[in-house]
Amino acid sequence: DTEVTQTPKHLVMGMTNKKSLKCEQHMGHRAMYWYKQKAKKPPELMFVYSYEKLSINESVPSRFSPECPNSSLLNLHLHALQPEDSALYLCASSQQGREGTEAFFGQGTRLTVV
Amino acid sequence: AQSVTQLDSHVSVSEGTPVLLRCNYSSSYSPSLFWYVQHPNKGLQLLLKYTSAATLVKGINGFEAEFKKSETSFHLTKPSAHMSDAAEYFCVVTYSSNTGKLIFGQGTTLQVKP
Repeated sequence: DTEVTQTPKHLVMGMTNKKSLKCEQHMGHRAMYWYKQKAKKPPELMFVYSYEKLSINESVPSRFSPECPNSSLLNLHLHALQPEDSALYLCASSQQGREGTEAFFGQGTRLTVV
Repeated sequence: AQSVTQLDSHVSVSEGTPVLLRCNYSSSYSPSLFWYVQHPNKGLQLLLKYTSAATLVKGINGFEAEFKKSETSFHLTKPSAHMSDAAEYFCVVTYSSNTGKLIFGQGTTLQVKP
């Protein structure tokens, strides 16, 4: 199984809502990532979890809150988002620490903030 | 700073003709290099990777890339374009020193004309 599964595929939320994005992988990868991608741009790194601990936070606003409940799951909790947060949110995983190991990406969650 | 430069933001070819997507990287450390493809509203799929083994790397769907250290380049090629190759392509580099963080190029949009 070389899949990273993200749910939901699409999400529309108001600026006062609380919602969560979910990501799951069963490849035994110990590094998991959240990326944000705007149209016609490369993905921008938001967070990295290594062995279930947050290792990188790229100065992301606190309205985005990541969580790694176990080695297979990664969540991104959303609260009080702004319209400019509308984007494709991608989850990825990799065998971190080994040279040349690629990241596997999920299909993404298309988020629209209204 | 570590960086990746994709030299063309947009490439247009006719179906059945060769494809060349150009990528240059900064050479601070020994890199691992990847090409990913992204179809509209989808996640990123790995096409191929270079990890200090053979300099000519073969990937999926007939794509290949050649690592040229002297030119710090990793250009992606395909002998004959297919309509289904139309997508966004990202050149990505990681360095063993940066805990697996992916550095993305700005992307190249490949258009394939019938």
